[in-house]
Amino acid sequence: DVKVTQSSRYLVKRTGEKVFLECVQDMDHENMFWYRQDPGLGLRLIYFSYDVKMKEKGDIPEGYSVSREKKERFSLILESASTNQTSMYLCASSLVNAPIYFGEGSWLTVV
Amino acid sequence: QKEVEQNSGPLSVPEGAIASLNCTYSDRGSQSFFWYRQYSGKSPELIMSIYSNGDKEDGRFTAQLNKASQYVSLLIRDSQPSDSATYLCAVNKISNFGNEKLTFGTGTRLTIIP
Repeated sequence: DVKVTQSSRYLVKRTGEKVFLECVQDMDHENMFWYRQDPGLGLRLIYFSYDVKMKEKGDIPEGYSVSREKKERFSLILESASTNQTSMYLCASSLVNAPIYFGEGSWLTVV
Repeated sequence: QKEVEQNSGPLSVPEGAIASLNCTYSDRGSQSFFWYRQYSGKSPELIMSIYSNGDKEDGRFTAQLNKASQYVSLLIRDSQPSDSATYLCAVNKISNFGNEKLTFGTGTRLTIIP
């Protein structure tokens, strides 16, 4: 079975804090993704990575950055958290031209 | 026009009946199509994938694809209360840099009535 692990499930951070969300997959997948999910807006792609140290902006990259130093690990960084970044964040991974598999999600509240 | 459109529902179906979920997409170049199921408070899980025109069956689930009409659907036969969830349609898209990404619809909430 594909295993995508998001280490932080529930976080509460203060406005202006730097936030790291970590994601690890154990299936040697080339592609990794970060989405956020909000009621009424669905899943929106923040950033994705198709290889180590390679990344591409998704639909809503503003306020976020990412890092992929190793194939199995993809980190999402909120440089200065704001209340409008309160959301559920979903990491996913896939082989090329294949379905993506999600982690369990990270619920972030910014106060 | 949204890239992937679904009727948000809610869709209510009696137990044992057929549930029909629909999705349209805008990018004619899309080649891969997926249906995910998401229970409340959980992450989406893959239930069906389809890559060519026609029907694909897996147990009680049938995915249908019509690329000419840019339409993909999911049929759930003999609906069970455990099928109550939000169903997400996802379509692949090639980015401006030639990399593949999945775009999701906002989902259809399905309720199976016992």
